[in-house]
Amino acid sequence: SAVISQKPSRDICQRGTSLTIQCQVDSQVTMMFWYRQQPGQSLTLIATANQGSEATYESGFVIDKFPISRPNLTFSTLTVSNMSPEDSSIYLCSARGGALVDTQYFGPGTRLTVL
Amino acid sequence: GESVGLHLPTLSVQEGDNSIINCAYSNSASDYFIWYKQESGKGPQFIIDIRSNMDKRQGQRVTVLLNKTVKHLSLQIAATQPGDSAVYFCAENPGNTGGFKTIFGAGTRLFVKA
Repeated sequence: SAVISQKPSRDICQRGTSLTIQCQVDSQVTMMFWYRQQPGQSLTLIATANQGSEATYESGFVIDKFPISRPNLTFSTLTVSNMSPEDSSIYLCSARGGALVDTQYFGPGTRLTVL
Repeated sequence: GESVGLHLPTLSVQEGDNSIINCAYSNSASDYFIWYKQESGKGPQFIIDIRSNMDKRQGQRVTVLLNKTVKHLSLQIAATQPGDSAVYFCAENPGNTGGFKTIFGAGTRLFVKA
């Protein structure tokens, strides 16, 4: 298994500001992903974080709003830019491959509230 | 995004009974399926997986059944315990046509009555 940590665990932000969420995996992994989960709903994939190249975004998500970095095989960041109350959600980091083989593991999530 | 955003269906079972949670997946090209358990305030936790070349796989107290003909997946939990109360998600990997991303289903909330 893997230990995936996220920082911060929760935050309350003002509209128009940006928040960067950090994700750290305790082993080298091939793939890292970012998901969003609205309260009481399922998980929606935002993007695949690619090491050394631009992230691959899903339909409905764009780089200007959710810039992603992945400088190495164990770390990634997701920024939620120019936030509005509609961005209030739980953001989850996930990792797969490498030492994890095919199993995809998830971090504990970052609970974001935008006022 | 590709997940389904719905209010979660609920399954209520008596402690000690068996639970069956069902899931319909969308992509006939998906070749790998996973069940996750999510407790309140936590990220999804891997339970069991199955590849498309199998129709059944067993773990500790859990069994996953795959019916590719009707694109249906089920999770069976034997002797359900209060600690099994959580939201359960099925997830699929679209295979080579969709990369290695994992797409989640709507989820089912399981309540276990003591």
